[in-house]
Amino acid sequence: AQSVTQPDIHITVSEGASLELRCNYSYGATPYLFWYVQSPGQGLQLLLKYFSGDTLVQGIKGFEAEFKRSQSSFNLRKPSVHWSDAAEYFCAVGPYNTDKLIFGTGTRLQVFP
Amino acid sequence: EPEVTQTPSHQVTQMGQEVILRCVPISNHLYFYWYRQILGQKVEFLVSFYNNEISEKSEIFDDQFSVERPDGSNFTLKIRSTKLEDSAMYFCASNKRKQGLNSPLHFGNGTRLTVT
Repeated sequence: AQSVTQPDIHITVSEGASLELRCNYSYGATPYLFWYVQSPGQGLQLLLKYFSGDTLVQGIKGFEAEFKRSQSSFNLRKPSVHWSDAAEYFCAVGPYNTDKLIFGTGTRLQVFP
Repeated sequence: EPEVTQTPSHQVTQMGQEVILRCVPISNHLYFYWYRQILGQKVEFLVSFYNNEISEKSEIFDDQFSVERPDGSNFTLKIRSTKLEDSAMYFCASNKRKQGLNSPLHFGNGTRLTVT
């Protein structure tokens, strides 16, 4: 069955520190991969996506993610976190033969000044 | 930038009552979706809708749920007889073309449904 695992429920970092949020997926082929961010009271905003090609993708707000087929991973990174990055981050898989997204359970990011 | 809008932002209803959640997708989008997120759990796909009919639905989307596009702008989710376990955040989403053709979903801010 298709699934997405985000092993870190809650991460706390200091402002200016680097960040890596982990995402692993289970799927028989290479799916479409996404990272969404949800700020309090807001909807889900797309940070970046991977469909094919270059395995390192750049997104908005200085985020990037790297697709590693051998590890079935799509980890999100940012070199220097800002206080405004505090939010919930969701990794999602879009199997190419369906019309739905499968989400992970999310990682809540807290940023200390 | 155009947005998906959802109303109301929060709805409280009693168990057994019917509830309708409303969404206005982005105007030139053709594919419409509902997702839900029970508190503390993952966001789950409910249903997709295209060309005035359901194109895919999950096992959660049973006979108590229905969707409708009553006019050219609104997209609604109706829960016929709400249960306590229907309490969740419901997200509407839309897309210009079918997912996967380099076209990610645009989500609304959600409606928090509380069933008492």
